[in-house]
Amino acid sequence: RKEVEQDPGPFNVPEGATVAFNCTYSNSASQSFFWYRQDCRKEPKLLMSVYSSGNEDGRFTAQLNRASQYISLLIRDSKLSDSATYLCVVTHGSGNTGKLIFGQGTTLQVKP
Amino acid sequence: DAGVIQSPRHEVTEMGQEVTLRCKPISGHDYLFWYRQTMMRGLELLIYFNNNVPIDDSGMPEDRFSAKMPNASFSTLKIQPSEPRDSAVYFCASSLAVRGNQPQHFGDGTRLSIL
Repeated sequence: RKEVEQDPGPFNVPEGATVAFNCTYSNSASQSFFWYRQDCRKEPKLLMSVYSSGNEDGRFTAQLNRASQYISLLIRDSKLSDSATYLCVVTHGSGNTGKLIFGQGTTLQVKP
Repeated sequence: DAGVIQSPRHEVTEMGQEVTLRCKPISGHDYLFWYRQTMMRGLELLIYFNNNVPIDDSGMPEDRFSAKMPNASFSTLKIQPSEPRDSAVYFCASSLAVRGNQPQHFGDGTRLSIL
């Protein structure tokens, strides 16, 4: 079983739609969680950190459920520019090792 | 501030040749990571350094791969001899010493093609 699992998609949605991505992780000791965004032929870039209480950044909302080892990302009012691959990322274990584990990514295509 | 700088951006070479990829992390960052990304396997961590010292190289595929970090501002990933299956995008990333949520910042990557 992979340490971080995501539905690869692709998710094809119209502009203005709300879309949600889910991610599960296997190491209950993981302490920090992120969503990264990767555009085609570009490097991964941090989209947002995920906090235990849930957090929002504009149209983006991230949720964490430690009991279920589940992370989600909700995008409201999706734009064409949101088309990208979204990577779920968790720290490897509880120690301050700096090591991150990346999911395979979920591809989003927003259409006019 | 400058981000993570990688060179070259693209490399095309014949199998059997030595390939050297270079990375300059963000100034002040304590951690440096080398990743490989392919369609089949996604983003894989190869090796990472803390304060120039290799911490975990369990992701390095085999002895043909080696990485060094002679100082805080420079690292290399070397493949010798190269093989067609090494073709991938290689990313370097850096981050601050880890306290709480410390994300990694990636360079633009090196697109490597081994013929």
